[in-house]
Amino acid sequence: SQQGEEDPQALSIQEGENATMNCSYKTSINNLQWYRQNSGRGLVHLILIRSNEREKHSGRLRVTLDTSKKSSSLLITASRAADTASYFCATDSGNKLVFGAGTILRVKS
Amino acid sequence: EAGVVQSPRYKIIEKKQPVAFWCNPISGHNTLYWYLQNLGQGPELLIRYENEEAVDDSQLPKDRFSAERLKGVDSTLKIQPAELGDSAVYLCASSSGGQDTQYFGPGTRLTVL
Repeated sequence: SQQGEEDPQALSIQEGENATMNCSYKTSINNLQWYRQNSGRGLVHLILIRSNEREKHSGRLRVTLDTSKKSSSLLITASRAADTASYFCATDSGNKLVFGAGTILRVKS
Repeated sequence: EAGVVQSPRYKIIEKKQPVAFWCNPISGHNTLYWYLQNLGQGPELLIRYENEEAVDDSQLPKDRFSAERLKGVDSTLKIQPAELGDSAVYLCASSSGGQDTQYFGPGTRLTVL
């Protein structure tokens, strides 16, 4: 079973635009992580936000976490064609990551 | 630093045949995970090892799936016999004690005909 649900399922934008993906989950968590997966490849860790944090930045990535709403968002600013990939949120409730179904992002050049 | 290595990358077999996947984690990582990823879905945990001990195998279908991690380094995941519904990508990941980040291998894409 998957806890996280990403929204939207798919997103298509022009290069240079910002991309926002949302994740909702059901149970309390220790942290929430975002991963990227290029077609036919393994997952790559992007960023981790702990349950006592509200916002975190890493380069062009900005993640927010609202534990009262059990939701998180990932913002990619100034998108590039190379950002085209699937993005997954994963919740950690204690030694176990539970992944959502992912958002497919396509950045058109 | 070398990443997580998996082999083979692709495997095509007929149903009822056995199949095995191999994973070599990042050196020094004591935690190893096997995930199943169906098309269009996120990975789902099959089994987690701490060193050579399987500490969470609750999602592993034990009637046909087995795994081992001898000496607490490399790991093998086996399916016997394979069924059509086992067609998926099998991902291996590893992490270091106390770290929350998992490092994934490229996966093995299994097709069962």
